[in-house]
Amino acid sequence: EIVLTQSPGTLSLSPGERATLSCRASQSVSSSYLAWYQQKPGQAPRLLIYGASSRATGIPDRFSGSGSGTDFTLTISRLEPEDFAVYYCQQYGSSLMYTFGQGTKLEIK
Amino acid sequence: QVTLKESGPVLVKPTETLTLTCTVSGFSLSNARMGVSWIRQPPGKALEWLAHIFSNDEKSYSTSLKSRLTISKDTSKSQVVLTMTNMDPVDTATYYCARMRVVPAAMDYWGQGTLVTVSS
Repeated sequence: EIVLTQSPGTLSLSPGERATLSCRASQSVSSSYLAWYQQKPGQAPRLLIYGASSRATGIPDRFSGSGSGTDFTLTISRLEPEDFAVYYCQQYGSSLMYTFGQGTKLEIK
Repeated sequence: QVTLKESGPVLVKPTETLTLTCTVSGFSLSNARMGVSWIRQPPGKALEWLAHIFSNDEKSYSTSLKSRLTISKDTSKSQVVLTMTNMDPVDTATYYCARMRVVPAAMDYWGQGTLVTVSS
């Protein structure tokens, strides 16, 4: 079973700054099967990025995804107040199983 | 318009069996490009994937919970059902269902979630 490890656990930044969130897999993951989600308190997660680098419908272009193999990154170029939330990476493996990372909390500094 | 809505008990007792239903609209459970997953989130904790069902009725389960989970679907009713046996207080969580696009794999629509508390 593939384990996803996200870092840092908490990231404290100010609006306007750049955020870089990491997701590392215990085994190689197909880029087609790596996604990122945003979750705000009391809400269901929202799909941000699929296929490692494609933005979902309606997602602003300040969000971008990159990476391959075991190392993936979500970058938010200039933080807006509404971007402070928890972010999860997720993969779908060859054994038909899905796993989530433990999440990165992006908080206002 | 794609929607998913979870329903089921808000409170179950330890050792009981939980049955949750996900009613979908805006897409068909027979669509080969789609599937439905169940995910849970204990209060203040991370998301945990539980089970998935594909359009061809193929199923997959979390390794750690496989012995307790059963997922099924009724395409005519647009419903996906998850049962979890032998409930314990640690299973207290918000349970979500989500539509999963097969390729590229992503959960593009989510239900609002339903909080299930396990307590005597």
